[in-house]
Amino acid sequence: DTAVSQTPKYLVTQMGNDKSIKCEQNLGHDTMYWYKQDSKKFLKIMFSYNNKELIINETVPNRFSPKSPDKAHLNLHINSLELGDSAVYFCASSEAGTNQPQHFGDGTRLSIL
Amino acid sequence: AQRVTQPEKLLSVFKGAPVELKCNYSYSGSPELFWYVQYSRQRLQLLLRHISRESIKGFTADLNKGETSFHLKKPFAQEEDSAMYYCALRGYSSASKIIFGSGTRLSIRP
Repeated sequence: DTAVSQTPKYLVTQMGNDKSIKCEQNLGHDTMYWYKQDSKKFLKIMFSYNNKELIINETVPNRFSPKSPDKAHLNLHINSLELGDSAVYFCASSEAGTNQPQHFGDGTRLSIL
Repeated sequence: AQRVTQPEKLLSVFKGAPVELKCNYSYSGSPELFWYVQYSRQRLQLLLRHISRESIKGFTADLNKGETSFHLKKPFAQEEDSAMYYCALRGYSSASKIIFGSGTRLSIRP
């Protein structure tokens, strides 16, 4: 099944903890992304990697650190979680080159207690 | 400034009625425009893109550069069209990021 898959689907944790969300794509894409969808359903890009290299880094707290061990994976590590980090995080991938459509994972719902 | 505006947070229409989801954009240049859809409990997926000029699930969208709009239309709404719809744009450079609108929830009433 070719897709973008992210784990876990749900993550409930306490403030101050450190957590990671994993993302893998088997579509052979070169570019991967992380988005945050807030409570008002607004989708905002956080990071983009192309062939393991960071190409887009929006204004995101440095508690958020993406890691791309290879072009098929882009993991998101979050340190010292805060209440405002509660959101749904989407991973996506696309082919390299301009204006390729993005394929999204199912999302990870992060809830901070 | 690059921006995508979807003025309606919620649009509710009756089954069989025409649907138009509004999208306006601001971009210095000629971006590519997309519509993405997220059905209940499903992943966000591409619905259509302006360069394809295609109709997907009965939906079409025409890029109007004069009005900087990319409205999504369907002549006859179906219940299964109920979903969250996002308009998005992206520039043509390799480092361009995709910018999403705030989304419109479409609710089709039986």
